[in-house]
Amino acid sequence: GAVVSQHPSWVICKSGTSVKIECRSLDFQATTMFWYRQFPKQSLMLMATSNEGSKATYEQGVEKDKFLINHASLTLSTLTVTSAHPEDSSFYICSARVLVNTEAFFGQGTRLTVV
Amino acid sequence: AQSVTQLDSQVPVFEEAPVELRCNYSSSVSVYLFWYVQYPNQGLQLLLKYLSGSTLVKGINGFEAEFNKSQTSFHLRKPSVHISDTAEYFCAVRPSSGNTPLVFGKGTRLSVIA
Repeated sequence: GAVVSQHPSWVICKSGTSVKIECRSLDFQATTMFWYRQFPKQSLMLMATSNEGSKATYEQGVEKDKFLINHASLTLSTLTVTSAHPEDSSFYICSARVLVNTEAFFGQGTRLTVV
Repeated sequence: AQSVTQLDSQVPVFEEAPVELRCNYSSSVSVYLFWYVQYPNQGLQLLLKYLSGSTLVKGINGFEAEFNKSQTSFHLRKPSVHISDTAEYFCAVRPSSGNTPLVFGKGTRLSVIA
């Protein structure tokens, strides 16, 4: 089946620094990638949708300048949390979709802890 | 817009007993429906999906779900659970046309007791 690899699995960073999370589709070309955030014991909240070669579409309430999303190729999307603060600590999950009418495949998630 | 309601936040069940995790959705257009499982500190794994055709859908790990359009439900069932089924289960929906993201329910924590 389709594999989506997310890296790193976990990261601890100091407050004020930036962290980059990578999401790769290993055996298919992803026309669309989605970034989600999940708080403990809660559901996934969509942060943004990115299409290869286009600017990401952010959900209401998500700061574009804080959560930078780049989808430069059909196999790679990155999420950069800029000037991270403790409240940004969360579990971030990406998913990738090949065609419009198929399900999305999920990465294993990244646990971000800002200290 | 679509919404998903998972009626039970937690479901404890004894090993080898049957289980049903309930999911209701709301949508003004036709939808695709999904069930995902999440183990601690991991991403989501697709259990099964309904796109069209037979309303009874069989998935991995012995799970199945039935799409009921009149009741706007997509309940997940397993006739006999194992300890390894302990996890968080998410129901999700998206319109059957257009390149839109999934909308998730709040999840149901299934705890299988030995």
